[in-house]
Amino acid sequence: GESVGLHLPTLSVQEGDNSIINCAYSNSASDYFIWYKQESGKGPQFIIDIRSNMDKRQGQRVTVLLNKTVKHLSLQIAATQPGDSAVYFCAERVWDAGNMLTFGGGTRLMVKP
Amino acid sequence: DAGVIQSPRHEVTEMGQEVTLRCKPISGHDYLFWYRQTMMRGLELLIYFNNNVPIDDSGMPEDRFSAKMPNASFSTLKIQPSEPRDSAVYFCASRELGVTDTQYFGPGTRLTVL
Repeated sequence: GESVGLHLPTLSVQEGDNSIINCAYSNSASDYFIWYKQESGKGPQFIIDIRSNMDKRQGQRVTVLLNKTVKHLSLQIAATQPGDSAVYFCAERVWDAGNMLTFGGGTRLMVKP
Repeated sequence: DAGVIQSPRHEVTEMGQEVTLRCKPISGHDYLFWYRQTMMRGLELLIYFNNNVPIDDSGMPEDRFSAKMPNASFSTLKIQPSEPRDSAVYFCASRELGVTDTQYFGPGTRLTVL
């Protein structure tokens, strides 16, 4: 899992700033969404999830926002740190499609010191 | 818990050889997933199991790929014969039904087929 794509969208932010990573999902029937973080050489790591009956959920330094009207998901990272540098994936699940997650293409976050 | 364990972490082989990737899910998890990650196609689901039974293998690229789960704590993904286009990172993930829908990923196996 190191470099997952040379052509990934890239977001470059200054250390200490807030980051917003966006994701457009495809299926209006999706009822569950997850954000994963993948660091170089590692597998995707769970960050935060949200169900479709919510529009916002907060964790430690992270917030996920869900806009079902426009099928948009965002991940906000407060006070971005160098350790946040990674590729971030959103994933969606449709309940009646079994237990499979469909992953987005990913966004690379680069934090400048 | 040690998390999902995969072996080997790296595998280099020659075209035509058989490759076997191994996965130990998190204890108590009853779903196991195999994914492949490439630059071109991103993260793709190959197959998943529930209680050791394959549920959906529609993502398996072709007959050269096969997966088994002989018991709740072990699964294999086999490629025979391997081809250069199979080069990728292969991930295993597991999930516990009813507790959360989150899948927990292993560290992956980087496969290079020469």
